[in-house]
Amino acid sequence: QKEVEQDPGPLSVPEGAIVSLNCTYSNSAFQYFMWYRQYSRKGPELLMYTYSSGNKEDGRFTAQVDKSSKYISLFIRDSQPSDSATYLCAMSESSASKIIFGSGTRLSIRP
Amino acid sequence: NAGVTQTPKFRVLKTGQSMTLLCAQDMNHEYMYWYRQDPGMGLRLIHYSVGEGTTAKGEVPDGYNVSRLKKQNFLLGLESAAPSQTSVYFCASTEAGGWAKNIQYFGAGTRLSVL
Repeated sequence: QKEVEQDPGPLSVPEGAIVSLNCTYSNSAFQYFMWYRQYSRKGPELLMYTYSSGNKEDGRFTAQVDKSSKYISLFIRDSQPSDSATYLCAMSESSASKIIFGSGTRLSIRP
Repeated sequence: NAGVTQTPKFRVLKTGQSMTLLCAQDMNHEYMYWYRQDPGMGLRLIHYSVGEGTTAKGEVPDGYNVSRLKKQNFLLGLESAAPSQTSVYFCASTEAGGWAKNIQYFGAGTRLSVL
């Protein structure tokens, strides 16, 4: 079993919809949780960064961490065609430990 | 501001050939990493470096070597390429300390095919 599981998709939704992307993990020691966005033929770029449990909001994006369920989510409100990309979750135990990436969910926003 | 630059962008090799992938960063970052990305596998760490002159093995180091002679450059070498090394290779860099180490800056990738 992988340490981090992520549905590969593809996920296709109409413009303006609310998108929910999720990851589950098995290592209860993870404390740092990240979401990276990767456009086609580009490198990943950091989108959201959270520590421990709770929510973090940045514009149309909200990251949610539920450590009791070992489950993290990324919500995108008012989705735009420019949000079409692959979204990778990532997590680590501490700032000194390696980062474990999910395999990514491919998202397509239909105009 | 270039960030992290990878060369070449594309390469096709025959089995047994060798090549070197170059990563250069202009952010004065201490840590640098090489990953490979394969469908359904996510990003897997090959080797990394915590400073000039240092290197360490990651999750999938076999068949690769690295060098960090200058702080801004991190080279990934394939001595004898195999079809299993067909992948997209990403270089990343981070600042040295604290939570900032989790914020990785990636290059655009090198697409390598080994025939």
